[in-house]
Amino acid sequence: ELKVEQNPLFLSMQEGKNYTIYCNYSTTSDRLYWYRQDPGKSLESLFVLLSNGAVKQEGRLMASLDTKARLSTLHITAAVHDLSATYFCAVGLGTDKLIFGTGTRLQVFP
Amino acid sequence: KAGVTQTPRYLIKTRGQQVTLSCSPISGHRSVSWYQQTPGQGLQFLFEYFSETQRNKGNFPGRFSGRQFSNSRSEMNVSTLELGDSALYLCASSFSSETQYFGPGTRLLVL
Repeated sequence: ELKVEQNPLFLSMQEGKNYTIYCNYSTTSDRLYWYRQDPGKSLESLFVLLSNGAVKQEGRLMASLDTKARLSTLHITAAVHDLSATYFCAVGLGTDKLIFGTGTRLQVFP
Repeated sequence: KAGVTQTPRYLIKTRGQQVTLSCSPISGHRSVSWYQQTPGQGLQFLFEYFSETQRNKGNFPGRFSGRQFSNSRSEMNVSTLELGDSALYLCASSFSSETQYFGPGTRLLVL
């Protein structure tokens, strides 16, 4: 059974600092997704990573994928309060089945 | 382009009742997937439909069922509701097996 593990589960960080969220998964997949969820809201797509070595950046967020290590990272640069949310990674299986990680709740404080 | 829409947004039911949730995908998207989100179990895959056919199914009891219509709209049904079915039910649509776009969700409370 595919397992997707994220760490840390909770991250409290100061504005302006950098940090990385890790996503490990237990089986081969060619698709890795990152989503953001604000409290009481739905999921917003951040990145889709489709190949080994893929790196994508949007603003202060950068995601990478290492399929050999079965590891994806979401790096936060110079955090700002607006980045406070829960971040999920998800592994794609087959067609459109996603297996989600546990989520990382990020809180950015002044 | 309109996003994924789900109705109703909120629902309160009692144990033993059944419920039907609806999802309209983004225009042109033929794949619709359903997920359940709870504080305890997180986000779990329910099922996926493409061109009116179920392509994948998650590990949920038979009380959970779904279907897709010719216009790609999808419904999911939960019969004999249990307290543990209280959750946020999310629908997602995609054009190819790349980005899945999620709707706002239906929040179901079972009393």
